[in-house]
Amino acid sequence: AQKVTQAQTEISVVEKEDVTLDCVYETRDTTYYLFWYKQPPSGELVFLIRRNSFDEQNEISGRYSWNFQKSTSSFNFTITASQVVDSAVYFCALSGTASGGSYIPTFGRGTSLIVHP
Amino acid sequence: DGGITQSPKYLFRKEGQNVTLSCEQNLNHDAMYWYRQDPGQGLRLIYYSQIVNDFQKGDIAEGYSVSREKKESFPLTVTSAQKNPTAFYLCASSRDRAVAKNIQYFGAGTRLSVL
Repeated sequence: AQKVTQAQTEISVVEKEDVTLDCVYETRDTTYYLFWYKQPPSGELVFLIRRNSFDEQNEISGRYSWNFQKSTSSFNFTITASQVVDSAVYFCALSGTASGGSYIPTFGRGTSLIVHP
Repeated sequence: DGGITQSPKYLFRKEGQNVTLSCEQNLNHDAMYWYRQDPGQGLRLIYYSQIVNDFQKGDIAEGYSVSREKKESFPLTVTSAQKNPTAFYLCASSRDRAVAKNIQYFGAGTRLSVL
């Protein structure tokens, strides 16, 4: 069975602070994919990034960066110099390649990020 | 503009009533999904469909039903058997069937409340 844990329920920061959202996963698959999605107050989840289990390179996209570490089964997301527009719920998700429907993503419970001006 | 359209945005259900949530996509995606979101619970899978005229139960299918008569449409009916239907419902689609690397594209959701 797959499992995604986002232990931080809510994080509150002041604008321009850096913030890291944690994601820890469990899977028996050797090949799997990890995702981050953003859910702004409007409600629609928006895809941010996808990583496969063979690619441990960290990625940076503007103020966003992701740190994938297989050794600790973590895929953490850092926002540098946070802005009010970053306020949203962020979901980490995992999908696998074994049989039995593991290709359907399993989502974490989400982390609500509040950025104060 | 390609995307997923969910309607209505808000829906109220009377006790004992069945209600249907609409989900339409014009992305030509094979797979479609329904999720339920409750505060602090994340997304829980209700039903999914990989192909027209076929669908599978997710983790919390009891009290719900779906159909997939057309590729672009995947309506969800919340039946009277669902005793706690108040939640935010999200529809999603992905391009391919049964592929782990699929990115999901989501609609704006329907918020269902019980009168």
